[in-house]
Amino acid sequence: ILNVEQSPQSLHVQEGDSTNFTCSFPSSNFYALHWYRWETAKSPEALFVMTLNGDEKKKGRISATLNTKEGYSYLYIKGSQPEDSATYLCASLDSNYQLIWGAGTKLIIKP
Amino acid sequence: DAMVIQNPRYQVTQFGKPVTLSCSQTLNHNVMYWYQQKSSQAPKLLFHYYDKDFNNEADTPDNFQSRRPNTSFCFLDIRSPGLGDAAMYLCATSGPGHRHGYTFGSGTRLTVV
Repeated sequence: ILNVEQSPQSLHVQEGDSTNFTCSFPSSNFYALHWYRWETAKSPEALFVMTLNGDEKKKGRISATLNTKEGYSYLYIKGSQPEDSATYLCASLDSNYQLIWGAGTKLIIKP
Repeated sequence: DAMVIQNPRYQVTQFGKPVTLSCSQTLNHNVMYWYQQKSSQAPKLLFHYYDKDFNNEADTPDNFQSRRPNTSFCFLDIRSPGLGDAAMYLCATSGPGHRHGYTFGSGTRLTVV
């Protein structure tokens, strides 16, 4: 994989349900994996920066895992709430400090 | 609060009329970035500054220029905007070590008429 790919492109989830989506990234020259949440009319906000294989980070109801050997990260949201509606972007930072962005997963929470 | 501020939030410009977007930061971060983001696409890095060192991406059109007069401010100049330059322009900063995420401004939505 040479690019960062996120799937699905968009996702509709019922309020209260849990969900997850994927970020695939180049495993060679890996340095760090960033996750951002971008709500409409606001700045993208950094959620996690992950560097170690097997790492798992948590922030409230949101958590992320990292597999650097196979080049993927999952973002999980437990008990989705309307305020979770946003575009979730991941970006892979390589050893040359080049940040490669995915196109994002647009999450819409249905009340 | 320390932050990254972009002005204006929305900018409408005429085809071919030069336009300048601005970004300021109170974080004292040494790296500043300009991204272009079009709908449903990944943000595209245009250029970045490491302190005063300017780094242009190879595929950034000559139509796009940048200035960083001091640590706090960075400007994006579009010399002759075309319809294809309509996009969201995001400014971001990062501190040393790359262990923390970037801090973004809220972006400038550029419309070319």
